[in-house]
Amino acid sequence: GAVVSQHPSWVICKSGTSVKIECRSLDFQATTMFWYRQFPKQSLMLMATSNEGSKATYEQGVEKDKFLINHASLTLSTLTVTSAHPEDSSFYICSARDSGGRNEQYFGPGTRLTVT
Amino acid sequence: AQSVTQLGSHVSVSEGALVLLRCNYSSSVPPYLFWYVQYPNQGLQLLLKYTTGATLVKGINGFEAEFKKSETSFHLTKPSAHMSDAAEYFCAVSAFTGNQFYFGTGTSLTVIP
Repeated sequence: GAVVSQHPSWVICKSGTSVKIECRSLDFQATTMFWYRQFPKQSLMLMATSNEGSKATYEQGVEKDKFLINHASLTLSTLTVTSAHPEDSSFYICSARDSGGRNEQYFGPGTRLTVT
Repeated sequence: AQSVTQLGSHVSVSEGALVLLRCNYSSSVPPYLFWYVQYPNQGLQLLLKYTTGATLVKGINGFEAEFKKSETSFHLTKPSAHMSDAAEYFCAVSAFTGNQFYFGTGTSLTVIP
């Protein structure tokens, strides 16, 4: 089956630094990827929709200047948390839509971010 | 607009008992419905999905769900709970399989030995 990877799987950073999370579709092309955020014991909330070659679409309340999304190729989208603060600590999950005809969506394993 | 409501944030069942996790949805278009399971500190694993066709959908690990349009429901069931079923379960809706998902708040399933 289709596989989506995320790197790193977990990261600890100091407050004020930036962290980049990668989302890769390993065996299919994805013109669209989605970024979700999950706080402990809560559901997944869509942050933004990432489209290859164009600007991401952010959900209401998500700061686009804080959460920078780059979808530079058909297999890679990155989420950069800029000037991270402890309240940004969360589980970030991406999903990728197979643009090869099946139009299925596959989720990555998630990245645990802890900001100290 | 689409949304999902999962009734019961916590469900406890005895090992071997019936599992029933409830999901109701709201959608302005024909919905695609999904159930995912999440183990601690892990990503989502697809249990089953409904797109079109047969309303009773069978998934992995003995789970199944029935799409009932009249009730706007997509409840998840398993005849006999196993200890390994203890996890967080999320119901989700989308306009089609490749569109953004809207997740319910999740149901934590505890299986009592």
